[in-house]
Formats: sequence, structure tokens, C-alpha cells
Amino acid sequence: NAGVTQTPKFRILKIGQSMTLQCTQDMNHNYMYWYRQDPGMGLKLIYYSVGAGITDKGEVPNGYNVSRSTTEDFPLRLELAAPSQTSVYFCASSLSGRSYNSPLHFGNGTRLTVT
Amino acid sequence: QQQVKQSPQSLIVQKGGISIINCAYENTAFDYFPWYQQFPGKGPALLIAIRPDVSEKKEGRFTISFNKSAKQFSLHIMDSQPGDSATYFCAAPGGATNKLIFGTGTLLAVQP
Repeated sequence: NAGVTQTPKFRILKIGQSMTLQCTQDMNHNYMYWYRQDPGMGLKLIYYSVGAGITDKGEVPNGYNVSRSTTEDFPLRLELAAPSQTSVYFCASSLSGRSYNSPLHFGNGTRLTVT
Repeated sequence: QQQVKQSPQSLIVQKGGISIINCAYENTAFDYFPWYQQFPGKGPALLIAIRPDVSEKKEGRFTISFNKSAKQFSLHIMDSQPGDSATYFCAAPGGATNKLIFGTGTLLAVQP
């Protein structure tokens, strides 16, 4: 199984450009998440989804949008890139939303630089 | 914003030594406490987790100690190896989203 796959691995954007970070999982997990990781700041939740057609904001949603049309895919959209969005983005999935026996499975991340 | 406070930010340990990473939480409603391990260029992966109804959980060289009264939990890595060099995150479910809140991470370097 591939698990959680993220593309691209690296991307450089100019200020004001837009892009979509792709995420797909093959574990039939209901829950999917987007986190951003900044040095010394840990992982911050951007958006999450509890199933196809249902999304909700996390801790730091401003400047981002998501959609969940299928169980497998959960793309993250940046509409007007800003330098503050320079970060490493991780997509994750889990079978259920909050459970000792349902850990998060992470992809290997997308490193985004906005200049 | 409910938080999980993690320390130290970085840690250097000699091979064979004990690595200790600490976390403190605020919300007594947290019902489980996982630790995630992240190698460079990879996403975090679950290492070990504990429920608050037990004070300790051990898996191989990795042990979580839980102190409910102090609202603290810690990760102990016994006989630390260079292959343990990674970033470690503690976490707890909570906050406005009721999803995992992560600590700020500890960069562990085990010197041979």
C-alpha cells in the first residue's frame, strides 16, 4: 500500500500566485487533515475532513481552501500565495477522528517557498 | 487555545544513554497522549501512545510515563542509538477542533 501520497514534493511560488497541493490515500480512511510545520512551532492544523463532502477549519485556515469530493483525495488550495505561507505541508489520514487505536498516517510532505 | 508544551527544544545524548523528553498539558479532558517520531524528509509516524488511566507504558526501549496530578507526560528512550536521531512530537486531542494538538517538537541527536 502507498498510504498517503503528496505531490509535489517541492515548489517555489511567487507572491500572489496560486497552487494546489495534492493528497491522496489508499487506506479507505474517513478522516483527512492538512497540517503545516514551521521550525520551532510544531504542527498546526489547517483544515480537516470527516468524509467526502464535509470539511471544517482547523487552527490556521486563513489563506487556504480545501475540498473533499472523494474519500481518497483531499487537495489544499492556496489562492494568493504570501511569504507567510512558506512552510512544509503535511497531509494525514485516520480511520476515525479521535481514538487511541486510530493514529494519524502522514504523507512525506510538500516543501513550499513563497518569494 | 489549549496547548501542549514540550521541552527541551533540542537534545544531544551519547550512544547508550537515556533520552528524556517532557510535555505538559492543560486540559484534563484529554483522553490519550501519543508520541510521534519524524525523520528528516519524512512525515511524522506514531511511535507510542498512552491512556491516562495508566501511569506507564513500555514498548521496547521506549517508555511513556504519565503523571496525571502534574498534568505531565514524558518519553524515555533507553539505550539510545544513533538511529533514534529524529524529531519527536508529543500530542493530545483537544482544542476547538477536538483534533490532535502537537507540541513544538524536540530534535534528538544521538552521538556514536
